Amino acid sequence: EVQLVESGGGLVQPGESLRLSCTASGFTFNTFWMIWVRQAPGKGLEWVASINQIGSEAYYVDSAEGRFTVSRENAKNSLDLQMSSLRAEDTAIYYCARGYCGGRNCFAGVFDIWGQGTVVTVSS
Amino acid sequence: DIQMTQSPSTLSASVGDRVTITCRASQNIYFWLAWYQQKPGKAPKLLIYEASRLQSGVPSRFSGSASGTEFTLTISSLQPDDFATYYCQRYSTYPYTFGQGTKLEIK
Repeated sequence: EVQLVESGGGLVQPGESLRLSCTASGFTFNTFWMIWVRQAPGKGLEWVASINQIGSEAYYVDSAEGRFTVSRENAKNSLDLQMSSLRAEDTAIYYCARGYCGGRNCFAGVFDIWGQGTVVTVSS
Repeated sequence: DIQMTQSPSTLSASVGDRVTITCRASQNIYFWLAWYQQKPGKAPKLLIYEASRLQSGVPSRFSGSASGTEFTLTISSLQPDDFATYYCQRYSTYPYTFGQGTKLEIK
């Protein structure tokens, strides 16, 4: 079964750091772009970061640039999001997702498999 | 950044109705648009990509279309399982952006 499982969420104070992880199974992890998307309580979806198959390219939403770092360890089928200088507005459910590949085409910006999410709360 | 304006924010409809949700891009995004369905407490589910391509396993009552910078998601005959929130998402350039969402409610 194709599956993504996030972990690492929790309650932290403003300014602190947190590392989220996502473990993939059921597919060849190193052939897919991987993505983080978040959803603040009662709000819509926000793309946070993307990383290519070998970890040589990473892209971030402006609000995460310089504070968040996305990385992957293909040997362990693992995706991470290191978050620092956390703010109240970073409070959200964080989902990891897979970039879709269909036929001969891969779409880094289409997210076909999602994890169940991990909750991050930034509050004093 | 390219903005996505999704409408309506809420839509009340009945089982069997045909409904349309619209997403408008502030600039040309060609066909680089996807639609997702999200139910409460669950992760989003991919419905359509490249504006009109149906994801495998998604019922054929869902369809997508594009006209310039305006994109539509149509559900031809609402089923009870379709009441959820729907998001459009453009992926033409970074940063990827989602629409604000449309909550489809039972009338």
